Amino acid sequence: GESVGLHLPTLSVQEGDNSIINCAYSNSASDYFIWYKQESGKGPQFIIDIRSNMDKRQGQRVTVLLNKTVKHLSLQIAATQPGDSAVYFCAELNAGGTSYGKLTFGQGTILTVHP
Amino acid sequence: NAGVMQNPRHLVRRRGQEARLRCSPMKGHSHVYWYRQLPEEGLKFMVYLQKENIIDESGMPKERFSAEFPKEGPSILRIQQVVRGDSAAYFCASSYQDTQYFGPGTRLTVL
Repeated sequence: GESVGLHLPTLSVQEGDNSIINCAYSNSASDYFIWYKQESGKGPQFIIDIRSNMDKRQGQRVTVLLNKTVKHLSLQIAATQPGDSAVYFCAELNAGGTSYGKLTFGQGTILTVHP
Repeated sequence: NAGVMQNPRHLVRRRGQEARLRCSPMKGHSHVYWYRQLPEEGLKFMVYLQKENIIDESGMPKERFSAEFPKEGPSILRIQQVVRGDSAAYFCASSYQDTQYFGPGTRLTVL
């Protein structure tokens, strides 16, 4: 069945370091991927997205890489800050050619940034 | 612009009671999604609605759960005769196109 999973459930980094959070997905038909950040007691916050016809997309301090050959997604955070500490989820959408539908979420990676 | 709004933020019910969770999408968004999150887990899709229509309810239990998104007013997720296993955080998301934006969630506790 469809699934999105993460390689590392926890990640601890020092402030100022770069962080890389990984995600594996199994549905090769998925055409849209999103990274969300969730802080304790809050809803998921959109970080960055990427479509299946791209392999890299950059935002402010964040970069998402998509490797469709091995069905792997990663989120890179540059110069990680204490405020980046949160749970990070990848999610995939298999919209069947439309733009709408259910997201399938991974389990989450806990990122802890030490000052 | 206001984001997705959900209320109540916290809801306590006793077993057998009904729970009603409300979601107001972002302005201009006509697509609403409900997800459930258990502690230490990711979000699980429940239902996808457009105005007055249920598009996909494949993740919603067949019994006790229902959802609506009327022409006027917020989307409602209704859980009848709640059981302890219904305790979770329920998140609503809305979209204009493919990007879904989430609300703060309703944390349901069933005693």
